[in-house]
Formats: sequence, structure tokens, C-alpha cells
Amino acid sequence: NAGVTQTPKFQVLKTGQSMTLQCAQDMNHEYMSWYRQDPGMGLRLIHYSVGAGITDQGEVPNGYNVSRSTTEDFPLRLLSAAPSQTSVYFCASSYSNRGDEKLFFGSGTQLSVL
Amino acid sequence: AQTVTQSQPEMSVQEAETVTLSCTYDTSESDYYLFWYKQPPSRQMILVIRQEAYKQQNATENRFSVNFQKAAKSFSLKISDSQLGDAAMYFCAYRSDWGGSEKLVFGKGTKLTVNP
Repeated sequence: NAGVTQTPKFQVLKTGQSMTLQCAQDMNHEYMSWYRQDPGMGLRLIHYSVGAGITDQGEVPNGYNVSRSTTEDFPLRLLSAAPSQTSVYFCASSYSNRGDEKLFFGSGTQLSVL
Repeated sequence: AQTVTQSQPEMSVQEAETVTLSCTYDTSESDYYLFWYKQPPSRQMILVIRQEAYKQQNATENRFSVNFQKAAKSFSLKISDSQLGDAAMYFCAYRSDWGGSEKLVFGKGTKLTVNP
């Protein structure tokens, strides 16, 4: 039972490069989300999706794009990486967006932008 | 907007002793959920305990318990019989019930050190 799988675990980019962080879950969860974690900060929501074909912005969406073509996958795209995007990124999913639903987290992607 | 405050950036405890981590939050909602997450050096986010705001009874999970004071908007975590494996960052988080429950609002975390 894989749960939430994020790839890659580590990535180094140069300023201006683009890349996609992958997130997949095998629990048939409708709700998926991306958070970033910066030193001394809690996690902050970037984008989320309540089902295939539906996405919306979170607290810190600038510089990131998402799409949700399938229930299982929710990739996060950086179109032109900036040093301010150096962070640890977490994907999380739950069965629905009800407040009492347990949120399952991936193991994170540590991204450095030089 | 909801906010979550953890006023203790770092805490330490002796093995087998008890420690309490503080968390306060600000909200105008009456129905919501509160969580404590543990993040060990492996980076994995692990749910420790959950509290429903409509329940007066404090949640407990083995050695972990909370003191939920709804009127004071306080949600502290007590770890009893601390173990070396409890050393981690602990995050307090808030989630609305319906309509706005798309995100968890996290505090900045408390780093817990367990001394042998």
C-alpha cells in the first residue's frame, strides 16, 4: 500500500529552469493538495484539488501551476524557478475535503534553486 | 482568516518525563478541527492526535493527550513518559469544517528534544 508518493525526493535547479514535482496516490482520494515548508515556518498551502478537473489556489500560489487530469495524480509545475522557491514541498491527500478527514502526506521533495 | 500560534520554538524534556507543548489559535468559526502533527528528521508528517471542536472531551492517543480549551482558543499537547523517538518538530494545525476546509493552517512548530 504505497499511499502518497512524491518524486523526486531531492532536486537542484538553476534560476529560470522549469520542472514538475510529481505526486500520486493510490487510495482513490478526491482531495489532493500541495504545501511548501520553509525554515521556521509551518506548511503553507500552494494549490489544491477537490477532484479530477478541478483545481484552486491556496495561500501562496504565485509561480506554480497545477492540473488534475486523473484522480491519482496531481503534479506541481514550476515554470521559471526562482531562489524564493527553495523549499520542501509536500503533497497531501484525503478522501474528501471535510474537515475531519485524515490528511495523508507524502515524504516531501527538497528543492533548491540556485 | 484563521491563525495558529506556537509560542515555544524549542522545548526539551528528560526521557520518561512529561512535557506540554502550547498552541493557541484564532477563529470566528464554531465548528472546526485541531491537529497535532509530528515531523521527525525523516521529514514525514505524522498525525499524532485530532480534536473535534464540538467535543468537550479531550482527545487521547496512548501517551499523547490534549488540553482543549475552546473558549480560550487553546490546544496544548501533553506527552507522557517521553521517549527518545518522540524527538521531532511538532506542528499544531487548524482545519475548518465545511466551506473553507480545503486547507490546514499550521503553526510554525516546536522542536522537541528528548534527553537520555
